Amino acid sequence: AQSVAQPEDQVNVAEGNPLTVKCTYSVSGNPYLFWYVQYPNRGLQFLLKYITGDNLVKGSYGFEAEFNKSQTSFHLKKPSALVSDSALYFCAVRAQTGANNLFFGTGTRLTVIP
Amino acid sequence: GAGVSQSPSNKVTEKGKDVELRCDPISGHTALYWYRQSLGQGLEFLIYFQGNSAPDKSGLPSDRFSAERTGGSVSTLTIQRTQQEDSAVYLCASSSANYGYTFGSGTRLTVV
Repeated sequence: AQSVAQPEDQVNVAEGNPLTVKCTYSVSGNPYLFWYVQYPNRGLQFLLKYITGDNLVKGSYGFEAEFNKSQTSFHLKKPSALVSDSALYFCAVRAQTGANNLFFGTGTRLTVIP
Repeated sequence: GAGVSQSPSNKVTEKGKDVELRCDPISGHTALYWYRQSLGQGLEFLIYFQGNSAPDKSGLPSDRFSAERTGGSVSTLTIQRTQQEDSAVYLCASSSANYGYTFGSGTRLTVV
């Protein structure tokens, strides 16, 4: 079975501070991992993905994520948060073999405080 | 088109009525997915179409839900005899071989 856990429903961070949004996953075999962001009344927008290769993945808007196989984690990070980063963030996983449908976490609401 | 298009963007229906939600995927994308996002919940997988293969319907919550994809392009999600618990945002996504999904803006369904 495949699943994603985002342990924090809400993350608050001051503008200019580094941010981390946590994600751990469970999958049979090797994973493909994704982060998506959802702004109010909008669909989900792709941020970044890990397919293979370097464990540190860089994506849109200055975000990055590090794949840690031993900890089965894929935490999202940004060195300096912006107020405009405030949104709902979803982590997703699928196995490298088998069905293509992604399994999503329940989301983490990030609020960047001016 | 340039993105995934969903219609209508909002739908209010009376309990017991049937509704149809439409998704136009990105041209050339072979895979199409439907998800449901309820208030305070994550994304719940509903159904997945891949090319000409039989769809993966394992996420459909009841037999009131069905979906079809005509000509490998447009998809329609139908909910029969709607219930209040069906109220949610229904998201469609399509993908090609680069692994990532492109999502539409969703249809917000409210059953009153």
